[in-house]
Amino acid sequence: DVKVTQSSRYLVKRTGEKVFLECVQDMDHENMFWYRQDPGLGLRLIYFSYDVKMKEKGDIPEGYSVSREKKERFSLILESASTNQTSMYLCASSSGPPEQGYTFGSGTRLTVV
Amino acid sequence: AQTVTQSQPEMSVQEAETVTLSCTYDTSESDYYLFWYKQPPSRQMILVIRQEAYKQQNATENRFSVNFQKAAKSFSLKISDSQLGDAAMYFCAYRIQGAQKLVFGQGTRLTINP
Repeated sequence: DVKVTQSSRYLVKRTGEKVFLECVQDMDHENMFWYRQDPGLGLRLIYFSYDVKMKEKGDIPEGYSVSREKKERFSLILESASTNQTSMYLCASSSGPPEQGYTFGSGTRLTVV
Repeated sequence: AQTVTQSQPEMSVQEAETVTLSCTYDTSESDYYLFWYKQPPSRQMILVIRQEAYKQQNATENRFSVNFQKAAKSFSLKISDSQLGDAAMYFCAYRIQGAQKLVFGQGTRLTINP
């Protein structure tokens, strides 16, 4: 069964910490995405990557960076966590054809205290 | 800017009845794709149904069907014979031809009453 795996289901970090959220897919997909999910706001795109070492900013990239050193792994980095980054983070991947949707991970609920 | 609007934050329906979730979108593109995703309490997003904008026929998947009105930029989801397992957050999403990005609506929380 193909899937997208996010390393942590729940995470609690302190303000100012550097936080790494990891995502791995086993489908050999070119495209990977990081979304943030907040009540009433839906899912908002933070960053995406269409190839190894390639990245593009999404709609809300401020305060975040990403790394894609290998095709199967896409990391989201919070350089200095703040309380307004408390949220659900969803990773997804896709193979390219637009009629295909995404395959999602199960999300990481991050709390910054 | 491309936007997707789900105007119903919450909906509820009796088990075995039919419910319709609304979605509108704003785009100047003519070639695009529309999706409905379900997010149950497990948080795993599941693709429910998709619609290609160039197809006039409404998509159906078992108890799930859509009412796609291209001129009105409307894409509603109808769930027939609602089941307890249908309880979830439902997200409408949009993707234009040639782009990788999915744009999501705010979500509708659906409750099924036994």
